[in-house]
Amino acid sequence: QKEVEQNSGPLSVPEGAIASLNCTYSDRGSQSFFWYRQYSGKSPELIMSIYSNGDKEDGRFTAQLNKASQYVSLLIRDSQPSDSATYLCAVMSPRMRFGAGTRLTVKP
Amino acid sequence: NAGVMQNPRHLVRRRGQEARLRCSPMKGHSHVYWYRQLPEEGLKFMVYLQKENIIDESGMPKERFSAEFPKEGPSILRIQQVVRGDSAAYFCASSLQGPGLGNEQFFGPGTRLTVL
Repeated sequence: QKEVEQNSGPLSVPEGAIASLNCTYSDRGSQSFFWYRQYSGKSPELIMSIYSNGDKEDGRFTAQLNKASQYVSLLIRDSQPSDSATYLCAVMSPRMRFGAGTRLTVKP
Repeated sequence: NAGVMQNPRHLVRRRGQEARLRCSPMKGHSHVYWYRQLPEEGLKFMVYLQKENIIDESGMPKERFSAEFPKEGPSILRIQQVVRGDSAAYFCASSLQGPGLGNEQFFGPGTRLTVL
């Protein structure tokens, strides 16, 4: 079992739709969770961090955490073509462990 | 308000040569992390350093790889006698706090190493 698992995609959504990205992790003791966005050929960019169960909203992004289910998700509302990128889920366990990423394409 | 800086951005080495990658953390950050990303693969943790100390090198290959973060100057990741399998993007990240809640890591632009 991988420590951090994500659907590799590609995930394709039309412009304006909600994109839903999912992540599961294996270390039940993990306390910190992050979503990074990585454009092709570029470095990861931190877009959300979440530490408590529930939802955390920041603009068009909402992170959801359920520690009992060992599940983290990222919702992107009103998706834009500029959101097309690979989204990396990261879990502190105790070092940062990354999923392989989900490639998102937002079609105009 | 400079972010994490890395140089060089691109590095080409022949097999057997040494590669030196440099990283300057964000201002005020004293925690530095190195990651490697192979083509079409995820980011893999290599090493975590604070000034003059290696805290965790559990992700670093036992041979040919070393890292340091001196009291003055940037952190350096050194790869001796490079092989083609070392070709990858190497990212440095820094954080204000150590591991735990609030350990948000910010990444530099990376160094793309190509071994011929």
